[in-house]
Amino acid sequence: DAKTTQPPSMDCAEGRAANLPCNHSTISGNEYVYWYRQIHSQGPQYIIHGLKNNETNEMASLIITEDRKSSTLILPHATLRDTAVYYCIVRAREDSSYKLIFGSGTRLLVRP
Amino acid sequence: GAVVSQHPSRVICKSGTSVKIECRSLDFQATTMFWYRQFPKQSLMLMATSNEGSKATYEQGVEKDKFLINHASLTLSTLTVTSAHPEDSSFYICSASRAGGGTGELFFGEGSRLTVL
Repeated sequence: DAKTTQPPSMDCAEGRAANLPCNHSTISGNEYVYWYRQIHSQGPQYIIHGLKNNETNEMASLIITEDRKSSTLILPHATLRDTAVYYCIVRAREDSSYKLIFGSGTRLLVRP
Repeated sequence: GAVVSQHPSRVICKSGTSVKIECRSLDFQATTMFWYRQFPKQSLMLMATSNEGSKATYEQGVEKDKFLINHASLTLSTLTVTSAHPEDSSFYICSASRAGGGTGELFFGEGSRLTVL
């Protein structure tokens, strides 16, 4: 699975959009981009995933560049509860029986 | 959403003893479960993949005789840390894959914090 690069930390103001970048320049054509987050001392939580097209759900939006070498997770109106470590993961299959390898992630701090 | 439960959430044991951690999928059948370990301020490290009814597959560098994994049913996997030492103190997290694979979403337990004295 391709490696990802994320900034170690970011912060944003409560109520503003949080845009978390991820670089995956070695991604191959059939690899998916997954985002998870981990709130302190809890298990990770699935946020969203995509292959080529932009995706949106009730939690976030995922914007994938046309060349698929990078993506951005957008939390449209960040709240204090969104403070967490966000992991961008590239995975070879859209199959939950296939292992998920975590990188170092981005620690997002949402400021009051 | 699907629920994965781990027990115990916290455990303290003496060096040399064995500790068992359970991971249950409460409302779905999990053909595959994964065990991760996380040290303070670090990311999750995959230890092993456990498939129901077969032997677990361990990641490189993880001792299979020290970390015994049993996946005896479609809703339960256990991790036993044998002859625990202080360096085994960590946060252990399991995740479960819904049978059929779905869209790749993994459901994680709340984690079990092990402290070895």
